Amino acid sequence: GAVVSQHPSRVICKSGTSVKIECRSLDFQATTMFWYRQFPKQSLMLMATSNEGSKATYEQGVEKDKFLINHASLTLSTLTVTSAHPEDSSFYICSARDRASSDNEQFFGPGTRLTVL
Amino acid sequence: AQKITQTQPGMFVQEKEAVTLDCTYDTSDPSYGLFWYKQPSSGEMIFLIYQGSYDQQNATEGRYSLNFQKARKSANLVISASQLGDSAMYFCAMREARGNQFYFGTGTSLTVIP
Repeated sequence: GAVVSQHPSRVICKSGTSVKIECRSLDFQATTMFWYRQFPKQSLMLMATSNEGSKATYEQGVEKDKFLINHASLTLSTLTVTSAHPEDSSFYICSARDRASSDNEQFFGPGTRLTVL
Repeated sequence: AQKITQTQPGMFVQEKEAVTLDCTYDTSDPSYGLFWYKQPSSGEMIFLIYQGSYDQQNATEGRYSLNFQKARKSANLVISASQLGDSAMYFCAMREARGNQFYFGTGTSLTVIP
């Protein structure tokens, strides 16, 4: 099956710093990628939908100036958490849809665990 | 209204027994897809099984089967012959044809007892 990678897998940073998380589709092209946030023992909450070459679409309540999304190519989307604070500590997961597939499946990355001190 | 409802926050099953994880959904779109994912403690989302709204037969994938009851809007996951490695969180999800978004349930934590 298709593979999606995320980097880094785990990051610890000080409050006030910015953190960039990369999401890559390794063996397929993805015109659309999705960013989710998951707090402990909770479900995945969609933050934004990232479209290649255009602005991301953010879900209600998600600050677009705080969570910057860039989808510069068909295989890479990045999420930057700007001026991170302890309440931003969470598990961030990306997923991607295969541009060439009519299948409904989304392929998930392994996730990035962010801890803000 | 909740798009996906999972009413069992936690379930226990004896090893080698079968277990059913419940999922109901809500949509007015006639075309949709239903998914089940497994999330072990490592955090990765592992795709298990898919059921399309127009599929006539219940989906099966190895030990996983989906009990699709369209009129009741339910899509329960059945795991047969449970194994210790099945202990994880299980999420039901839906995608409507008219959109890209996946809607996830709150998950069920399954513990397989030896």
